[in-house]
Amino acid sequence: GDSVTQMEGPVTLSEEAFLTINCTYTATGYPSLFWYVQYPGEGLQLLLKATKADDKGSNKGFEATYRKETTSFHLEKGSVQVSDSAVYFCALSDPGGGATNKLIFGTGTLLAVQP
Amino acid sequence: EPEVTQTPSHQVTQMGQEVILRCVPISNHLYFYWYRQILGQKVEFLVSFYNNEISEKSEIFDDQFSVERPDGSNFTLKIRSTKLEDSAMYFCASRGERNTEAFFGQGTRLTVV
Repeated sequence: GDSVTQMEGPVTLSEEAFLTINCTYTATGYPSLFWYVQYPGEGLQLLLKATKADDKGSNKGFEATYRKETTSFHLEKGSVQVSDSAVYFCALSDPGGGATNKLIFGTGTLLAVQP
Repeated sequence: EPEVTQTPSHQVTQMGQEVILRCVPISNHLYFYWYRQILGQKVEFLVSFYNNEISEKSEIFDDQFSVERPDGSNFTLKIRSTKLEDSAMYFCASRGERNTEAFFGQGTRLTVV
């Protein structure tokens, strides 16, 4: 079945460091891809998305490019801040769709940014 | 900005008791979901609801679980007889047209003791 694999955490970085969180997916069709963020004690918030190959999603300095050839959607940020500390989830939207279009999530990656 | 709201934020219940988790999706949305996140684990799909019926459910969503949209506004998840392993954060989500983003509520933390 469809699945998402993301790098294990935790990832610990110093402020202003470059961030990459790897995400790869397996899907039979042409999924939409998402990054969700969960700040401590809060729910899930959509960070960015891409709906077709070569699309780049971006938000708050984060970006990710939908790479069909490598089935990847890696999250990057050039300079992280302490406030970016959170759990980041890569997800895909079930391309089989129907009346569901459920999200399939990766395991999440905890990012801890130190001052 | 419209948002999905869930109540309560935290519920503690005794094993074997029934619980109802409540959600108010965004008003013009058509697709409704419940997801679960056991502490430290991934977010898992439980059930989707569209056109007043379940459109898909996962293996987790057994006969102890049910969903309702009783009044066109609320969307509830009922667990008939809770088990210790039902302890988790439960997220409600709603979506408009297909392939638009899903909006999540803040979650209800359910603790079964």
